[in-house]
Amino acid sequence: DARVTQTPRHKVTEMGQEVTMRCQPILGHNTVFWYRQTMMQGLELLAYFRNRAPLDDSGMPKDRFSAEMPDATLATLKIQPSEPRDSAVYFCASGRDRGGEQYFGPGTRLTVT
Amino acid sequence: SQKIEQNSEALNIQEGKTATLTCNYTNYSPAYLQWYRQDPGRGPVFLLLIRENEKEKRKERLKVTFDTTLKQSLFHITASQPADSATYLCALGNLDGSGNTGKLIFGQGTTLQVKP
Repeated sequence: DARVTQTPRHKVTEMGQEVTMRCQPILGHNTVFWYRQTMMQGLELLAYFRNRAPLDDSGMPKDRFSAEMPDATLATLKIQPSEPRDSAVYFCASGRDRGGEQYFGPGTRLTVT
Repeated sequence: SQKIEQNSEALNIQEGKTATLTCNYTNYSPAYLQWYRQDPGRGPVFLLLIRENEKEKRKERLKVTFDTTLKQSLFHITASQPADSATYLCALGNLDGSGNTGKLIFGQGTTLQVKP
């Protein structure tokens, strides 16, 4: 049963520290998405990739967030420096560009103190 | 700006009844609409996709309608069970110039509670 995996599942860090979240998309999927979910804002798209190329990162605070796909099996989301307002659950999802549906990972719960 | 509205109040129904959830949107013309289920502490799980030229789609006990004139989708769960209790998210998407699907815009979700 193919699944999207994310690490770490939980992360507690202090303000100003760098945070790196990792995602392994489902093998064969060529689109990868990063979302952030909070009670207030719901599920917001931060960035997405097709065939490892970034297509849209307009939802991401550029000064502190960065997203990359070093290879087809790994996507990363970095926050540097982290701030308390970054506390949220971060989801990675993958899919196919003709399929439409997205398959979500279990999420990384980030707490910045 | 694009806006998706789902009932923020939880929907409480009795087991065996049909649950109907609503998704309304404005300032958007989506090519397709999707419904996801999310359980506490987990990522959303894809349920159904319906395209703009489709009026209705069914999958087992689930039925989705899509009215592009009203800018509304209805999501029905028939013969509901306590195991159907979860938050249900509506999401809209479009195609790029090459016909590829891409990013989704999600609603806030509606929580369904099915009581035995």
